[in-house]
This record gives sequence, C-alpha cells and structure tokens, in this order.
Amino acid sequence: EVQLVESGGGLVQSGGSLRLSCAASGFTFSMYWMYWVRQVPGKGLVWVARLNNDGSGTNYADSVRGRFTISRDNAKNTLYLQMNSLRAEDTAVYYCARAVDPGVRGVGYWGQGTLVTVSS
Amino acid sequence: QSVLTQPPSASGTPGQRVTISCSGSSSNIGSNNVYWYQQLPGTAPKLLIYGNNQRPSGVPDRFSVSKSGTSASLAISGLRSEDEADYYCAAWDDSLSGVVFGGGTKLTVL
Repeated sequence: EVQLVESGGGLVQSGGSLRLSCAASGFTFSMYWMYWVRQVPGKGLVWVARLNNDGSGTNYADSVRGRFTISRDNAKNTLYLQMNSLRAEDTAVYYCARAVDPGVRGVGYWGQGTLVTVSS
Repeated sequence: QSVLTQPPSASGTPGQRVTISCSGSSSNIGSNNVYWYQQLPGTAPKLLIYGNNQRPSGVPDRFSVSKSGTSASLAISGLRSEDEADYYCAAWDDSLSGVVFGGGTKLTVL
C-alpha cells in the first residue's frame, strides 16, 4: 500500500524557516517524480514544486521560487521541502504527492498533509 | 485566479447524472492528460480518474471523463450522497513547467 506521511509543519514567524519531510513507503520511491502541493484551508489546491525521480530536475511555482527548495533522499525514501523567508501567505496545508506512474507527470497519490502557519 | 477554470458549484439529486467542466489552454489541457481529484470534507485529495478514463483501483465506473480541445469534463452518473465533495481538475502546463489546478467545484447532492 502506498503511504506518504508528512511531518515538520507548525507555527513559525514571518521571515523564518521550516523543513517539511515526507516519508514514503509501499512503492519504489526512486522511480517516481514527487510533488508538493498546498491548500489554504477552505480554498483550492496550488502546486508548489516538483522533483524528478533522481533529483536532477526541479520546477517551482513563481510564488515560492528562490525561497523554497525541494529535494529527496532515495536511500531514505524521503522527500523534503526547505522553506525559507516564509510569509503569511505561505500559511497552508502542505501535501506531499507522488506521480501516477514512473515517468508520468500527473499527480497520483497524496499524503494526509501537514499544516504550516506563518504568523506576521 | 486558477489557470484552469471550473464552475464553483454543481448539484444534483440521487440517481442523476452530473457533469463538471474544466477549461484550460493549448499548453495544458490541449497537450497533456487531465487528472481529476475528489476531496471529501476534512481529508486529503484522492485521484479519481485521468487520461482516457483510467481509474485507480476502487473507483467505480460511474465516474467518466471526456476531453475536447482545451476543455475537459467529469461526469458522475447514478449520483450518490457519498459523492458530495470538492472536485478538482489538473494538468501539466508546458509553458509554466508545472502542474496547474482548477479552482475546484463543490458538488452538493440534494
């Protein structure tokens, strides 16, 4: 069974940093593109970042580029999101997600999410 | 403002057929697969259906999709009370080099 478990969320002051982790199990982690998607409670889904299976290629939403870094450790089956220079508008539930299939760009499985609250 | 456009709400009675539209452009829906997600209240999104009516295990065939040009639609037939949820469309965008989502459609089963 595919499982994605996020951790690392919490309350942080504006301008601060936070690192989210996503522990993956139930599949061969190193074969799949991975994503971070966020959602302000009560609002829609917004893509944040994407990383290909071997960590060599990344893409970021304009709103986070230069502040957030997505990375992975395939030996530990873990995805990360390093968030720096946090702003109030970064407050959201952050979901870790896996591609549908190896080499496919669509988002398939989702974790349960972790809440990040940035206080101003 | 979402890149993909969905109606904010839709409704139907049990047993009815309901459709939800998703409009995009040539750089996303027009050239890539469309994915649909169901988000029940208080839970994470779940992949519902994608591409040429590909459904993950456990998703009933009451859910179907179609695509024409830069628009796509999700159809739910035999509507049930448990279908009441938020539905999102998504696609890869070649111009943005990222995933774009619709704003979501809240489906109410009357």
